[in-house]
Amino acid sequence: KQEVTQIPAALSVPEGENLVLNCSFTDSAIYNLQWFRQDPGKGLTSLLLIQSSQREQTSGRLNASLDKSSGRSTLYIAASQPGDSATYLCAAVLQGAQKLVFGQGTRLTINP
Amino acid sequence: DGGITQSPKYLFRKEGQNVTLSCEQNLNHDAMYWYRQDPGQGLRLIYYSQIVNDFQKGDIAEGYSVSREKKESFPLTVTSAQKNPTAFYLCASSFTVNTGELFFGEGSRLTVL
Repeated sequence: KQEVTQIPAALSVPEGENLVLNCSFTDSAIYNLQWFRQDPGKGLTSLLLIQSSQREQTSGRLNASLDKSSGRSTLYIAASQPGDSATYLCAAVLQGAQKLVFGQGTRLTINP
Repeated sequence: DGGITQSPKYLFRKEGQNVTLSCEQNLNHDAMYWYRQDPGQGLRLIYYSQIVNDFQKGDIAEGYSVSREKKESFPLTVTSAQKNPTAFYLCASSFTVNTGELFFGEGSRLTVL
């Protein structure tokens, strides 16, 4: 079964810290991987999209990396702020599944 | 501004009634999708469409129906055959199916009374 896993399910850190969110996938043959943010009761907002030929993408304080050989992607958030509090989801288009597969998400809380 | 508009945001339905959720996009995307989100279960694909007049079942299509008569519109009907319809429904679109960046609407919350 093609799966995408995010651990931990929840994370709480003090404001100002740099942090890393993890995403692992079962199939090293992927087309792309996308990171999203979801606020409570809202839709998903696209943060970063990494194509299979890329190793990382950056947007402001966010940096996403992709390591196909180990089946892992990480989302690095620098200098975290309370406004970063949300659920972060990763999703990968796995060649075996031929569709976008979502992880369960990591609920992030940044404490002032 | 370009984006995806879902309506209504909240909807209440009595058991046995069909309801239709609207999804409109002005991003000129070919592919559109409907997902269902339940607590603790993540997002599950209901239906998707690669192009006008074409759509495919996703993982949980039973009890749902869709149409794609226009490129901009992909409405979802939740029929009375859906056993547990109370959920948060999300519409999304991308330039091409499964290879492009995915953009989402704000969602519609359906509650069956």
